[in-house]
Amino acid sequence: TQLLEQSPQFLSIQEGENLTVYCNSSSVFSSLQWYRQEPGEGPVLLVTVVTGGEVKKLKRLTFQFGDARKDSSLHITAAQPGDTGLYLCAGGAYGNKLVFGAGTILRVKS
Amino acid sequence: EPEVTQTPSHQVTQMGQEVILRCVPISNHLYFYWYRQILGQKVEFLVSFYNNEISEKSEIFDDQFSVERPDGSNFTLKIRSTKLEDSAMYFCASSHAINTGPYGYTFGSGTRLTVV
Repeated sequence: TQLLEQSPQFLSIQEGENLTVYCNSSSVFSSLQWYRQEPGEGPVLLVTVVTGGEVKKLKRLTFQFGDARKDSSLHITAAQPGDTGLYLCAGGAYGNKLVFGAGTILRVKS
Repeated sequence: EPEVTQTPSHQVTQMGQEVILRCVPISNHLYFYWYRQILGQKVEFLVSFYNNEISEKSEIFDDQFSVERPDGSNFTLKIRSTKLEDSAMYFCASSHAINTGPYGYTFGSGTRLTVV
């Protein structure tokens, strides 16, 4: 069974600080996706990384896929209150299904 | 921006009743999925559907569950005899795919199913 462990589970920081969220597994994934989920809504795709070592940037968000395609990180620079939310990583597994991590709840205080 | 549409947004049903959750995936997507999220828990894969048949299902997706694409646009999840533990948010998703795995997933806003 493929599992993804996300850390930290909860992060509370001040506006302007930087943060990193980690997603780790002992399994290799064909791709790694990061989502943001608001309460009562479905996950919204932020990015997909496919190649080992790949780095993608989305404004103040930087996503990295590990060389061995077993881990990924999400780094946010100069966090803003609007970044507050639940961040989920999900690994692409056999048959095009996704295996989700438990999520990181981010709270950015102004 | 194309959306995956789910109806109803909320459904309350009595234990033992049948429910049908409906979804309209993005029109040019090829893969369709159902996931569920029990309150406070991870999003879990239920089933994937491709080329008018189930391509993969999880151990959760037992004989009480079935999926159907009755026409060119709708994708449904039926739970034949609901149990209390079926209470969850059910998310429909669709994707196109490349040979390196799932790509371009879009999730609907979900149906909150409450079994009483």
